[in-house]
Amino acid sequence: EAQVTQNPRYLITVTGKKLTVTCSQNMNHEYMSWYRQDPGLGLRQIYYSMNVEATDKGDVPEGYKVSRKEKRNFPLILESPSPNQTSLYFCASSAKGLAGETQYFGPGTRLLVL
Amino acid sequence: AQSVTQLGSHVSVSEGALVLLRCNYSSSVPPYLFWYVQYPNQGLQLLLKYTSAATLVKGINGFEAEFKKSETSFHLTKPSAHMSDAAEYFCAVSEADSARQLTFGSGTQLTVLP
Repeated sequence: EAQVTQNPRYLITVTGKKLTVTCSQNMNHEYMSWYRQDPGLGLRQIYYSMNVEATDKGDVPEGYKVSRKEKRNFPLILESPSPNQTSLYFCASSAKGLAGETQYFGPGTRLLVL
Repeated sequence: AQSVTQLGSHVSVSEGALVLLRCNYSSSVPPYLFWYVQYPNQGLQLLLKYTSAATLVKGINGFEAEFKKSETSFHLTKPSAHMSDAAEYFCAVSEADSARQLTFGSGTQLTVLP
């Protein structure tokens, strides 16, 4: 089944404790992206990747890192989480990253930073 | 720069009534437009998209949307609401020359009353 998977689905952590949220897709997509969803703000893009070893900042990249060493994986790293990073995070992918392509979303990771 | 405005963060309709969710966009180039639906505790699922073909776009679950360039609108409609339509709906825009793809609206929570 074609899908985007994220782990963990739920995470509670404390300020300053490094964490990684994994994202994997099995559709051989070149483009992958991370979003955060906050009430009243919709989804905002954090980082995106057009292909392996090609990443770039989205609208809200501060406090986050990403890497793209393999085509299927695009982990999101919070080196020193803070409470304002409490949010719902979505990973997404599309075939080529072209405008008009459908993006496929993972199930989301709900993060609480205390 | 592209942007999306969704009028009404919460919309309530009675079962069997018309559903109308409003979306206006701003784009400096011809846009691609999307509606996504998010059911509770799930990721986003594509409902329909406009990619410069027919201006009236039909999607899944009986939804449709009409692209009106003169009004810069892409409102989502369904003739008869069903209880299972209760969800959050997001309008999104993508520009032809944008590698970052999607910009989302803030979302509209649809409640269907029995």
